[in-house]
Amino acid sequence: GAGVSQSPSNKVTEKGKDVELRCDPISGHTALYWYRQSLGQGLEFLIYFQGNSAPDKSGLPSDRFSAERTGGSVSTLTIQRTQQEDSAVYLCASSLETGLGEQYFGPGTRLTVT
Amino acid sequence: SQQGEEDPQALSIQEGENATMNCSYKTSINNLQWYRQNSGRGLVHLILIRSNEREKHSGRLRVTLDTSKKSSSLLITASRAADTASYFCATVYGNTPLVFGKGTRLSVIA
Repeated sequence: GAGVSQSPSNKVTEKGKDVELRCDPISGHTALYWYRQSLGQGLEFLIYFQGNSAPDKSGLPSDRFSAERTGGSVSTLTIQRTQQEDSAVYLCASSLETGLGEQYFGPGTRLTVT
Repeated sequence: SQQGEEDPQALSIQEGENATMNCSYKTSINNLQWYRQNSGRGLVHLILIRSNEREKHSGRLRVTLDTSKKSSSLLITASRAADTASYFCATVYGNTPLVFGKGTRLSVIA
């Protein structure tokens, strides 16, 4: 079956612009996660959604970052007024259950803010 | 703060040799997972070991877990050039998301 997909694969934007990153999780997976990975670094947790529960936003670095998940499936991560330090690879993952099981990752979106 | 810390940060070996990577963590866990990442993109799950397990095997992979020392090791036997990647450990506790370390960059030279 289809894995996790993300779009766009690459995004170059000017400082101050807003960007939207999309994630399509594996069908039937109730948990969805967003991570950020800067060059040569580990994964930084941003936000996760579990079913209809309120999302855990504890990892969002600033109020310029927001995410939503519509219909318990597709998720969009929005970064407003982008800054150069937002440049990173943004990874989305989904899993059958929150936390405990393995996560399936998408290929990521490489964001470059110029 | 990051939960898992891998050691070494980088490892270079010849094809056919074994590669060992270590991971230390700080708090209690439900399970610990190892992932592989090629070319800075999506991660692939390799193996999961639960807190009540001490050792687990999957093909050429062997994972050990020592909860008393809060550490885990990943052994890749008979390495291949295709094993070249970054390897991350990630821990799970309660209902919180995975917490990843910075990874070990493994280079297998043919």
